[in-house]
Amino acid sequence: DGGITQSPKYLFRKEGQNVTLSCEQNLNHDAMYWYRQDPGQGLRLIYYSQIVNDFQKGDIAEGYSVSREKKESFPLTVTSAQKNPTAFYLCASSPGGSSIGQPQHFGDGTRLSIL
Amino acid sequence: ILNVEQSPQSLHVQEGDSTNFTCSFPSSNFYALHWYRWETAKSPEALFVMTLNGDEKKKGRISATLNTKEGYSYLYIKGSQPEDSATYLCASLNYGQNFVFGPGTRLSVLP
Repeated sequence: DGGITQSPKYLFRKEGQNVTLSCEQNLNHDAMYWYRQDPGQGLRLIYYSQIVNDFQKGDIAEGYSVSREKKESFPLTVTSAQKNPTAFYLCASSPGGSSIGQPQHFGDGTRLSIL
Repeated sequence: ILNVEQSPQSLHVQEGDSTNFTCSFPSSNFYALHWYRWETAKSPEALFVMTLNGDEKKKGRISATLNTKEGYSYLYIKGSQPEDSATYLCASLNYGQNFVFGPGTRLSVLP
């Protein structure tokens, strides 16, 4: 079945460490997104990519980095510069391009906690 | 960052009751509004994509309306069932902006 796979489901990080969250999709979608969810808040956009080898900062990009070397993969690195990384992270994809208003398909999420 | 609001924050209804909740979004430069259902331990799933003022969409017992001039959308659930229990998210896309999600309405349907 087509879908989005995020791994791991739970992740623990020591202070000062960088960690990378994986996101893979087999939907042949051009656009991919990373969101962060904190209690009581809506999903906030961290980074997005409309096409391979290109990505843009979202609303809360500081302390995060991404790459888009392959269409199906959009990993997110939470760096030590992110002062409050404990959160639930969701990856999404959509057809993109001229289909910009199409709904997004989401993964199951990764919950990151600081030890 | 544009603001998208949803009300109420949470809602408890009895099985069989009909219910509705609201999404408020910026009306200027509006492009599209999405509704998603997010069940516990699952990923959000798209319910509706709405673009035109006056749009009405329906999927089974769930329907939605859109008013782009005043910046609101209503989601209606007729005859709520326990399996309707979920958080309902709306997201607004305005020209020149990224998707902005509301905080969601958490619905609990009691048997």
